[in-house]
Amino acid sequence: QQQVKQSPQSLIVQKGGISIINCAYENTAFDYFPWYQQFPGKGPALLIAIRPDVSEKKEGRFTISFNKSAKQFSLHIMDSQPGDSATYFCAASRSGNQFYFGTGTSLTVIP
Amino acid sequence: DAGITQSPRHKVTETGTPVTLRCHQTENHRYMYWYRQDPGHGLRLIHYSYGVKDTDKGEVSDGYSVSRSKTEDFLLTLESATSSQTSVYFCAISYKQGAQPQHFGDGTRLSIL
Repeated sequence: QQQVKQSPQSLIVQKGGISIINCAYENTAFDYFPWYQQFPGKGPALLIAIRPDVSEKKEGRFTISFNKSAKQFSLHIMDSQPGDSATYFCAASRSGNQFYFGTGTSLTVIP
Repeated sequence: DAGITQSPRHKVTETGTPVTLRCHQTENHRYMYWYRQDPGHGLRLIHYSYGVKDTDKGEVSDGYSVSRSKTEDFLLTLESATSSQTSVYFCAISYKQGAQPQHFGDGTRLSIL
């Protein structure tokens, strides 16, 4: 059973556009929601993370929006660049114990 | 980048053979993890360690064992490899459970024929 459901599986965006990736979860005990970025041949790298006491967190061009009542969170990449082309994973954890990952979104930004 | 080295980076072996993957860290972090990454499944936790000789099972531990005799090394063993264990394996480390995000190695691509 997938603890965290991620969509879409793949995404193509024009340079300068907004990329949006969505995740949903069921376990209300989750209290930490990170996003990871992975380039081919590399391990995932933490991009940005949020806790459920805030509805939004922004770091540069990357923003997490969190909807606690809907049990959903999303990653927005503003002004998407070709260098953002990668696979993105959302994840959820309870008190830093076992992390549950989404199935990943392959993002392609077209110049 | 966090000092995490996985070895080997690639391995091809036959069904039924034992396989050991190594994760070495230079960060002196307490927590170490083994994940496998498969299309359509994302990353799934196999085993983790919260200290020397202290390990526990993750989501997909069947067919795998681990050992941690030193802070810096975490070994993953497939006692008798099966084709279903063909995957990319990632090691991750963390200094503090709960607050510190995990840092990942660059993975081991394992093919079992």
